[in-house]
Order: sequence, then structure tokens, then C-alpha cells
Amino acid sequence: SQQGEEDPQALSIQEGENATMNCSYKTSINNLQWYRQNSGRGLVHLILIRSNEREKHSGRLRVTLDTSKKSSSLLITASRAADTASYFCATEAIRGAQKLVFGQGTRLTINP
Amino acid sequence: NAGVMQNPRHLVRRRGQEARLRCSPMKGHSHVYWYRQLPEEGLKFMVYLQKENIIDESGMPKERFSAEFPKEGPSILRIQQVVRGDSAAYFCASSPKWQNTGELFFGEGSRLTVL
Repeated sequence: SQQGEEDPQALSIQEGENATMNCSYKTSINNLQWYRQNSGRGLVHLILIRSNEREKHSGRLRVTLDTSKKSSSLLITASRAADTASYFCATEAIRGAQKLVFGQGTRLTINP
Repeated sequence: NAGVMQNPRHLVRRRGQEARLRCSPMKGHSHVYWYRQLPEEGLKFMVYLQKENIIDESGMPKERFSAEFPKEGPSILRIQQVVRGDSAAYFCASSPKWQNTGELFFGEGSRLTVL
């Protein structure tokens, strides 16, 4: 079954507001990554957080990881219309497969 | 430095025909992954290859689907006798090596439509 599950499935906010997306997963991981996908395009890597890290920042992005709850959140501050996209979390399990498993994604719409 | 190149970007096939999707990884990358994405859904892992080796094909349907990554040339995802349910976007991603991993670099995808 899919490793990551994002919540909410869709989010619509006004430009300038903050957007928070959550991801839950099931097995122990080496790291968790967030990707963005604009409509009709490929995925673009945003940020990677390792299992021994709790928080990471990159520009307007803030990612948290709680391995005890097997969950992560992505916060986009001061959102812009250009942030409109689908956002996916992806996990690499500790054991076995050397691959990333993606969640279903959150469709984020920023209204001008 | 070119990114991951996929072709064709769009492919239309009739039921029963074959579809061949190509992926050239980023320069210096020796690991290739194929994912499938249905509309409004996430990416489903299909197969992970290194040059001349299939490392993990646990996501590949047992029949009609095959993948290769030869010593020379692009990786090929081949779908024989396509059915309507094969209509999807197929994404290729590459990485330089596996080291408690890093990011994957994705192509723009090949969108297959089966009539």
C-alpha cells in the first residue's frame, strides 16, 4: 500500500497566507522528501529531511518531521500565485527497497 | 547540462498496439526509475534500473510491461498490447547513486492515451 498519505487532498487559500500540508507514513524511514508538480509537468524536488532531523528550512519552506508519529508537515509562508501546484511527500524506507514511495498529494491553489 | 529527457511527450495508441517510452537520464546518472501517474493521483513506483540491471521491478505488472536500461542508449519502458487502463502519465527519474539517497530528478513525463 502507499507509504505516504497527504492531508488535505486540496487546499485553497488567498495570496499572502500560509499553507500547511501534512504527510503521514507507515514504516521507518531514512528520509522524507517533498516535491512539487505543476499541472502537466514533471516533479521538482523541494526539500529533504533526514530521519535524525526534526525541522528544516529552505527559503519560504519549512518542513518538520516527527518520527514518533510518522508524520511530516510542509509549511509555505507568504504564499504566491506561482505556488499553485500539487505537493507530494515521498519516503525512502530503511529496509529493503531502494526507491521513493510517493503519497497522493495535496493540490494547492493560491487565489490572487 | 540537460535534465532528464523523456520522449515522446505524448503518445496515442489503439488497443492492442505497443507503446515504447524512452528516458535519457541526466549526465553522470546511472540509476533510473519509472513511475506511473493516473489523473489526480500520486506516483506509483514501477521499476528501478541501473545500467544493464533491473534492481527492483516490484511495481511492474507481471504481463505486457518490460523495462531495460542498456549499456548504451536510453532506458526503455515497453508496454505490449496496450489496454485503456494503461492510459496514464509515465515519469522517469534519475539519480547519480544510492547513498541513503538524495533527490530524484524527474523528466517531464510521457502521456500515453489508449483509444
